[in-house]
Amino acid sequence: GAGVSQSPSNKVTEKGKDVELRCDPISGHTALYWYRQSLGQGLEFLIYFQGNSAPDKSGLPSDRFSAERTGGSVSTLTIQRTQQEDSAVYLCASSLAVSSYNEQFFGPGTRLTVL
Amino acid sequence: AQSVAQPEDQVNVAEGNPLTVKCTYSVSGNPYLFWYVQYPNRGLQFLLKYITGDNLVKGSYGFEAEFNKSQTSFHLKKPSALVSDSALYFCDVRDKDTGFQKLVFGTGTRLLVSP
Repeated sequence: GAGVSQSPSNKVTEKGKDVELRCDPISGHTALYWYRQSLGQGLEFLIYFQGNSAPDKSGLPSDRFSAERTGGSVSTLTIQRTQQEDSAVYLCASSLAVSSYNEQFFGPGTRLTVL
Repeated sequence: AQSVAQPEDQVNVAEGNPLTVKCTYSVSGNPYLFWYVQYPNRGLQFLLKYITGDNLVKGSYGFEAEFNKSQTSFHLKKPSALVSDSALYFCDVRDKDTGFQKLVFGTGTRLLVSP
């Protein structure tokens, strides 16, 4: 079946521009997660959604970052006024529900380069 | 709050030899434990998880992991390594008794299998 998809796969932008990253979770998965990974390093947890609700936004690096999810499906991560330190791979994952025992299914990621 | 440690940044092993990637954890309650693998330029894939029951868990691609409560460890193992196992491996821990919390992954261990 279809997995988690993300678009675009690559995004090059200029410093100061806004970017929007999209995630399509697996159909029927109510939980959705965003992570950031720099230079093949560890995963930085950004935010999760249960349905359309994001109970905890404290993982977002700054107020330039925002995320939303509509219809319990597609999610967008928006970065305003991009900075060079925002360059990373942004990974999205989904799971059946927000519970401690559900494994996550990851998308291929969006590689963001800020010049 | 839970935490996880992957003490080795990199593990080198020759093809055909057994491999071990280490993970230790800390939770206040009982743990759910997961292993994920990231192949080059790809998203993470779920390998296996420990929820309850048998301490030895078998997963994808011939991998297995042993839950050791006394040592608070969940090491990933494979009897005979393949060059294609070369990848980045992440351990994840959740606290069963406190419900869903901010997700915590280890920093990752790079496995290099030489021919």
